[in-house]
Amino acid sequence: QKEVEQDPGPLSVPEGAIVSLNCTYSNSAFQYFMWYRQYSRKGPELLMYTYSSGNKEDGRFTAQVDKSSKYISLFIRDSQPSDSATYLCAMALIQGAQKLVFGQGTRLTINP
Amino acid sequence: EPEVTQTPSHQVTQMGQEVILRCVPISNHLYFYWYRQILGQKVEFLVSFYNNEISEKSEIFDDQFSVERPDGSNFTLKIRSTKLEDSAMYFCATRSEGRIKNIQYFGAGTRLSVL
Repeated sequence: QKEVEQDPGPLSVPEGAIVSLNCTYSNSAFQYFMWYRQYSRKGPELLMYTYSSGNKEDGRFTAQVDKSSKYISLFIRDSQPSDSATYLCAMALIQGAQKLVFGQGTRLTINP
Repeated sequence: EPEVTQTPSHQVTQMGQEVILRCVPISNHLYFYWYRQILGQKVEFLVSFYNNEISEKSEIFDDQFSVERPDGSNFTLKIRSTKLEDSAMYFCATRSEGRIKNIQYFGAGTRLSVL
């Protein structure tokens, strides 16, 4: 079983739609959960960061963590064409070097 | 806004040659990482570096790889004898030792092409 699983898509939605992106993980010791956005041939850009179960909102973005189900989500409201990118979930342990373990990434296209 | 700077943006090399990829971390960041992303695959951890030594490395990071901070500012990744399968995007990431743990900031990456 992969440590972090993420549907690679591609996912295509119309402008203004609500987008839901998800990851599951197998290591219950993960404590930090992040969502990064990556444009083509660029580095990952941090979008959301959380370390507890529940919801965290930042503008049009909401990150949700359910540690009991080992499931995290990112919701994008009022999606814009500029949101078109690959979205990577990442997680880390609280101990040690805290290296990030990434999902495969979901390629998202928002159609005008 | 402070950023992680990586050079070169694209490196083309012949198989068997040595390459050095460079990273300038965000000032006051103390933890440094290298990650790799082969085209179409996930971002993979290579190595972490803190207090002038490797703190963790993956099984990918074999004897052909090395890291150092030669002058207190740059953080480098050296591949001694490149293989075709080393072709990938290489990302440097850095983080501070602040209250909010483990927010890693990534550079734009170096695209390594081994011919």
